[in-house]
Amino acid sequence: EAQVTQNPRYLITVTGKKLTVTCSQNMNHEYMSWYRQDPGLGLRQIYYSMNVEVTDKGDVPEGYKVSRKEKRNFPLILESPSPNQTSLYFCASSFRGQMGGYTFGSGTRLTVV
Amino acid sequence: DAKTTQPPSMDCAEGRAANLPCNHSTISGNEYVYWYRQIHSQGPQYIIHGLKNNETNEMASLIITEDRKSSTLILPHATLRDTAVYYCIVRVDGFGNEKLTFGTGTRLTIIP
Repeated sequence: EAQVTQNPRYLITVTGKKLTVTCSQNMNHEYMSWYRQDPGLGLRQIYYSMNVEVTDKGDVPEGYKVSRKEKRNFPLILESPSPNQTSLYFCASSFRGQMGGYTFGSGTRLTVV
Repeated sequence: DAKTTQPPSMDCAEGRAANLPCNHSTISGNEYVYWYRQIHSQGPQYIIHGLKNNETNEMASLIITEDRKSSTLILPHATLRDTAVYYCIVRVDGFGNEKLTFGTGTRLTIIP
């Protein structure tokens, strides 16, 4: 089944403890992206990648890192999480330039205390 | 990308057609209209998109006015599982940052 898989689905952590949220897709998509969703603010893009070893900042990149060493994986790294990074996170992927839609993962609900 | 305006909420009776409007008066000639929906806190789900012709797929129909300043998403026979937030997005397809800019959407409630 074609899908975007995120792990973990739920995570509670403490301020300053480094964490990684994994994202993997099995559709050979070039483009991958991370969003966060907060009440009243909608979905906002954090980082995106147009292909392996090509990443760039989205609208709200502060406090996050990403890497794209393989086409299928696009992990989101929080080096020193803070409470304002408590949010619902989504990974998405698509073919570049294709007239069609994204495929989103099921989400990761992160709480930083 | 052009801005879109949607009503914040709508109700529709189960089994009836749900018609969700979207205004995009500043849309430019190469911008597509996309519709996504988000059920509860799941990942957004692609529904349909179009440029200027009406489009239909297994999920919905998209009607775009001739001047392209507005569109309507039609769910022909709404079920309880169609209760969700529906987002209308306008963007250019191409090889740049394929970012989707989500607004606040329309919360559609299907009533039994």
